[in-house]
Amino acid sequence: AQKITQTQPGMFVQEKEAVTLDCTYDTSDPSYGLFWYKQPSSGEMIFLIYQGSYDQQNATEGRYSLNFQKARKSANLVISASQLGDSAMYFCAMREDNYGQNFVFGPGTRLSVLP
Amino acid sequence: DGGITQSPKYLFRKEGQNVTLSCEQNLNHDAMYWYRQDPGQGLRLIYYSQIVNDFQKGDIAEGYSVSREKKESFPLTVTSAQKNPTAFYLCASRGQAPNTEAFFGQGTRLTVV
Repeated sequence: AQKITQTQPGMFVQEKEAVTLDCTYDTSDPSYGLFWYKQPSSGEMIFLIYQGSYDQQNATEGRYSLNFQKARKSANLVISASQLGDSAMYFCAMREDNYGQNFVFGPGTRLSVLP
Repeated sequence: DGGITQSPKYLFRKEGQNVTLSCEQNLNHDAMYWYRQDPGQGLRLIYYSQIVNDFQKGDIAEGYSVSREKKESFPLTVTSAQKNPTAFYLCASRGQAPNTEAFFGQGTRLTVV
């Protein structure tokens, strides 16, 4: 079963606007972590932000914030004030602490920022 | 500098040959992972290892093999049993603390010729 779902294969956003990338996950492990990565065309994987299952507040890192809704099992990434350099693939990932500690990724969303 | 190194960056293989992709890290991480990425697709887990001399199959382990004889090294062998090996391969490692992210190498692009 797919553990991470990203329902938006592609998204467009105008430069300087905010955009939300969706991520839903499936786990029965009470202890887990959620991660977002950016992959530009060069192929490197760039870590953006982390949210733990027990964290009470939504994570923020600069222009990135994570809208964590635990009951709905969603962890959406919000990018504020989009820049042209934000154009890339974005992946949501999950680590389950008690179920083997593997690290699984969603299918990704391709974000294109328009000038 | 601490980091994770994959080599080679590009690799060409003839059909029927085995090839080994190298992954080395000097971050003192216990866990290491191998992923396969096809064009425009997400990362699929091939194998992972949480400790030396132990590893587990991921979602697409068929046609691949790994070893973990040293903490720093986690080589991936793409065997002739893998029918469609052309892909981008990414290696990652992470520490044990729950809030630590996985660090990735630069990837190896394997092409069957």
